[in-house]
Amino acid sequence: DGGITQSPKYLFRKEGQNVTLSCEQNLNHDAMYWYRQDPGQGLRLIYYSQIVNDFQKGDIAEGYSVSREKKESFPLTVTSAQKNPTAFYLCASSLRGGSPPAEQYFGPGTRLTVT
Amino acid sequence: KQEVTQIPAALSVPEGENLVLNCSFTDSAIYNLQWFRQDPGKGLTSLLLIQSSQREQTSGRLNASLDKSSGRSTLYIAASQPGDSATYLCAVSESGSRLTFGEGTQLTVNP
Repeated sequence: DGGITQSPKYLFRKEGQNVTLSCEQNLNHDAMYWYRQDPGQGLRLIYYSQIVNDFQKGDIAEGYSVSREKKESFPLTVTSAQKNPTAFYLCASSLRGGSPPAEQYFGPGTRLTVT
Repeated sequence: KQEVTQIPAALSVPEGENLVLNCSFTDSAIYNLQWFRQDPGKGLTSLLLIQSSQREQTSGRLNASLDKSSGRSTLYIAASQPGDSATYLCAVSESGSRLTFGEGTQLTVNP
């Protein structure tokens, strides 16, 4: 089956620890994205990557880091510098980046709780 | 900066009713607009994508319209069913790869 997988579904961490969220896609898409969703709010863009070995900051990149060493994978690290890391994290991909923008497809999400 | 607003924030209707969800955006320089469905605790499922040059798109009981000049889109759901209960999100795409989302409309269809 083609699609986007995120693991784990639920993640619990202590404050002060870094944590890495996994996102893998087998759609052969060039572009990948990370969004954060807080209760009652829309999604906000953290980072995106239009091609391997390249990525750009989104609207709320502070306290997060990413890498894009393989086309299929775009892991997100939530560092201890992120002030309010507890949230629902969604990964997405699209056939291409840039303009005109292609339709984005989303993974099932990872719920991160930091105490 | 683009802002997307969805009205109403929540909607409860009896089964079988036709309904309209609204989405407005402040900057009309968009490439496309997507409507998504999100079930509780789940990811987003793309329902319809309307290119900026299009006026509407249809999929089954769903019809989405776009009036780019006035910054508005509507999602029409015909003959609603309890299985339609979910949060519906609209998002606009501008230059590059950025999607800007509204906060969503939480729909409940009562049997």
